[in-house]
Amino acid sequence: EAQVTQNPRYLITVTGKKLTVTCSQNMNHEYMSWYRQDPGLGLRQIYYSMNVEVTDKGDVPEGYKVSRKEKRNFPLILESPSPNQTSLYFCASSPLGTGGLGAFGPGTRLTVT
Amino acid sequence: AQKITQTQPGMFVQEKEAVTLDCTYDTSDPSYGLFWYKQPSSGEMIFLIYQGSYDQQNATEGRYSLNFQKARKSANLVISASQLGDSAMYFCAMREGRVPRGNTDKLIFGTGTRLQVFP
Repeated sequence: EAQVTQNPRYLITVTGKKLTVTCSQNMNHEYMSWYRQDPGLGLRQIYYSMNVEVTDKGDVPEGYKVSRKEKRNFPLILESPSPNQTSLYFCASSPLGTGGLGAFGPGTRLTVT
Repeated sequence: AQKITQTQPGMFVQEKEAVTLDCTYDTSDPSYGLFWYKQPSSGEMIFLIYQGSYDQQNATEGRYSLNFQKARKSANLVISASQLGDSAMYFCAMREGRVPRGNTDKLIFGTGTRLQVFP
C-alpha cells in the first residue's frame, strides 16, 4: 500500500531531551516536507527536501533539524525540545513538480513538558 | 499578509443538507493550485479535491465540489447531502507556482473550519 508512515504517533517528553520523529514513504517521491499544526494557525511548513541530500528551511525552522540520506526517509530532529514545540506534526511527500499532489503521514502528536 | 483565509471557524449543517465552506486566497502568481483537506477527530489529513488555476471547469469528487471563482479569488468547498461522518475540520490550502528557492510543492494552509453535521 502506498503510504507515508510516521513514528511515533504520540510522544510526551521533557524539555531538553533530544528526540527524532521518523518519516518514511514507499512511493519513490522526491519531495518531502514537515509541517506543524497549531490551533488557529493551520499547518506551517518546517523544512522540506527536494531530493537526497537537498534540504532547506520552510517557514518555521527554528529548533528543528532534518536530514535526507535516503530517498524514502526524512526524519525530523528536535535537539533540545521546548514546550512551544508541543504540536501536531505531519510529514508529507509528493513527486517533484506535481505541486503538492502527494500524501500526508498520519501525524505525530508531541507534548513537551 | 494571510494568503489563505477561511472566515468560518465553525459551521453546523443538518444531515442530508448541502453546505458551503468558504475559502479566499491571495496570490499574484498566475499558476497555482488549490486544495481542500478533511481532518477528522483522529487527526489524519485526508485529501478531498484539487483545482488548478488554469482548469476551465470546477473540480468535483463525488459529493465534493469546488466552486472556483478566479476573479473573486475564492475556492469554496461544497459538500452535498451531508453525512454524520462529514463532521471534521476542513482546511483550504494553496500551492503557488513560483516560490523562493524552488520550494515547488509547499502548501500554504488556512486556519480551518470545523463542520458539525447533526441528525
